[in-house]
Parts: sequence; structure tokens; C-alpha cells
Amino acid sequence: QLHLQESGPRLVKPSETLSLICTVSGVSISDSTYYWSWIRRAPGKGLEWIGSMFYSGTTYYSSSLRSRVTISLDTSKNQFSLSLTSATPADTAVYYCARETRAYFYDNNDHKVGYNRFDPWGQGALVTVSS
Amino acid sequence: QSALTQPASVSGSPAQSITISCTGTSDDVGTDNLVSWYQQYPGTAPKLIIYDTNKRPSGISDRFSGSKSGNTASLTISGLRAEDEADYFCCSYVDMTTVLFGGGTKLTVL
Repeated sequence: QLHLQESGPRLVKPSETLSLICTVSGVSISDSTYYWSWIRRAPGKGLEWIGSMFYSGTTYYSSSLRSRVTISLDTSKNQFSLSLTSATPADTAVYYCARETRAYFYDNNDHKVGYNRFDPWGQGALVTVSS
Repeated sequence: QSALTQPASVSGSPAQSITISCTGTSDDVGTDNLVSWYQQYPGTAPKLIIYDTNKRPSGISDRFSGSKSGNTASLTISGLRAEDEADYFCCSYVDMTTVLFGGGTKLTVL
């Protein structure tokens, strides 16, 4: 059964780098069908997509975080990681890793239709940015 | 782009039906792209309950249904049960570099 688990420091000082690892079991992250993604939820706020990585190394990041974010894969350990530099208290959130399906098709009117879904998710890791 | 707009809270009595709206723009929800919905209980991970706008994953009750019209997507829960009390989020795929979530809706079963 597919399972994802986040791990890493739960307390980060301002200006330092927030780093998390997602360990995947039940499927190889080298599977060409899926993307591997990070999403966060700040206290009292909604979900925010951070970025996604394909097994080939192609990455896509949220425009608001692109300058500070790196997602990478370690296929030997079946893990993928998140690095967020120059952390501030605004980065305090529960961070989730998830498997993502994303693709597009052409409908009967020859319109390009894109879609994605995150399933399953890890249990989440609360990371606090504070001195 | 901004997060999608959802009502902060909705409520309903057991056995009733409720609908949660998710409003975006002609650049996201209003495109041909598809929408997904997630259910989250406090302290747990979000769970996919609707994908491709109106499809249910295996194991999800047919009391949950999704639709989209114009710039607004909707999640309807029929035959409301106490166990449905949770937070619900919509998600719109825009393009390879943009995925938008709604602000979330807290459902209270009275």
C-alpha cells in the first residue's frame, strides 16, 4: 500500500533553510506516471501548492516561492525533499508531501484540458519558524 | 494568481444537502481544466474526494458529487451525516506552474 511520511526539523530559525524529506513506500518514485509534490497549510489559512517534481528531474514551482524553493529526488532511498531558503515566520505551516497525477488531453472539441489530483498525502509535519 | 474563493463556513442538519462553492476566474476555474476537492479532518492529512470535476475515487460515498459552471465549481454533499463535519478544499489546475487551492470551507453538521 502506498504510504508517504514527512520527516525533518520542526523548528527553524528565521533566515535559515527549512528542509523536509518525504519517504515513499509502496511505489517507486521513478514511476513515470506521477509527480511528487509539496503543499503547505499555514495556521488558520488554506492549502498552498509549493511545487512538484517529475521522476525525470523536471520541476515546477509556485511563482510566489520559486526564488526560495528546491525540490529534489533521491531514487536510491525512494525519497524526495523540500528545501526552502531564507525562512520567515510566515513560512510556519504544516507541510504535506503528496503524490500528484497531472496531465492533459484533447476533448471532442479539440480543446486542451488539463487536470491534476493529489492522492495520497503524507500525514503532515508542522514546521515552526521562530528564534 | 489568487487563491480560489470558498465560503468560510457552511452548516446543515443531518439528512439535508449542502453545496460548497469555489469561485475563481476565467483564467483558472473558468477554463476547460478540471477541478478536484479534498476533505480534511483536524490534525489529519487531506483526502481526495472528487477529481476531474465530478469523479469519485474508489471508496468515496456517492453522497459526494462535484460540478462546474462558468467560473464556479461546486461540491454537493447529500444525506448529510455527522461524520461529514470537516474542512473542504477545492483545487484548480491552471497550468504546469500554477495550481490553486481554495481558502477552505468548514462544514458543521448541526
